[in-house]
Amino acid sequence: QQQVKQSPQSLIVQKGGISIINCAYENTAFDYFPWYQQFPGKGPALLIAIRPDVSEKKEGRFTISFNKSAKQFSLHIMDSQPGDSATYFCAASKVAGGSYIPTFGRGTSLIVHP
Amino acid sequence: NAGVTQTPKFQVLKTGQSMTLQCAQDMNHNSMYWYRQDPGMGLRLIYYSASEGTTDKGEVPNGYNVSRLNKREFSLRLESAAPSQTSVYFCASSDGGGGNNEQFFGPGTRLTVL
Repeated sequence: QQQVKQSPQSLIVQKGGISIINCAYENTAFDYFPWYQQFPGKGPALLIAIRPDVSEKKEGRFTISFNKSAKQFSLHIMDSQPGDSATYFCAASKVAGGSYIPTFGRGTSLIVHP
Repeated sequence: NAGVTQTPKFQVLKTGQSMTLQCAQDMNHNSMYWYRQDPGMGLRLIYYSASEGTTDKGEVPNGYNVSRLNKREFSLRLESAAPSQTSVYFCASSDGGGGNNEQFFGPGTRLTVL
């Protein structure tokens, strides 16, 4: 059973456009929601994260929108650039065994055409 | 700082062979994690260690064992490799429960089991 559902699986946008990736979760025990960016041949790296006590967080061209009642959150990439082409993973985390444990979505492959 | 390092980078095994993947971090993090990444499946947690001396199973622990050798090092062992364990393996570390839950990933080990 997939605890974190991510869509779309792949996304193609033109340079300057808006990229939107959506995630939904089921377990209300999750209380930390990060997005990771992964380039080919590299490990994932944290892009931006949000806690459920706020509805939106913005860092530069990247924004997370969070809807606690719907148990959904999304990543918006404004003015998308070819350098943003990567795989993006959402995650939902909760504390277990003394550590924050993330459950990842299956990823979205983003291609930004010049 | 090197961050999270993993060895080896690539490995080819025959079915039934054993091997140990090594991971080390120099950020004085309490928590360490092992994930596998398969196409279309995202990152799935194999085992984690919330602190030195403790280990816990993640989502897909079967066929693996781990050792938290000290605060810096966390190894993953495949006792009898199977083709289903062909994957990219990532080690990660974090401060653990608390304010900063960012996970720092290593560059990965690409394992093929024939």
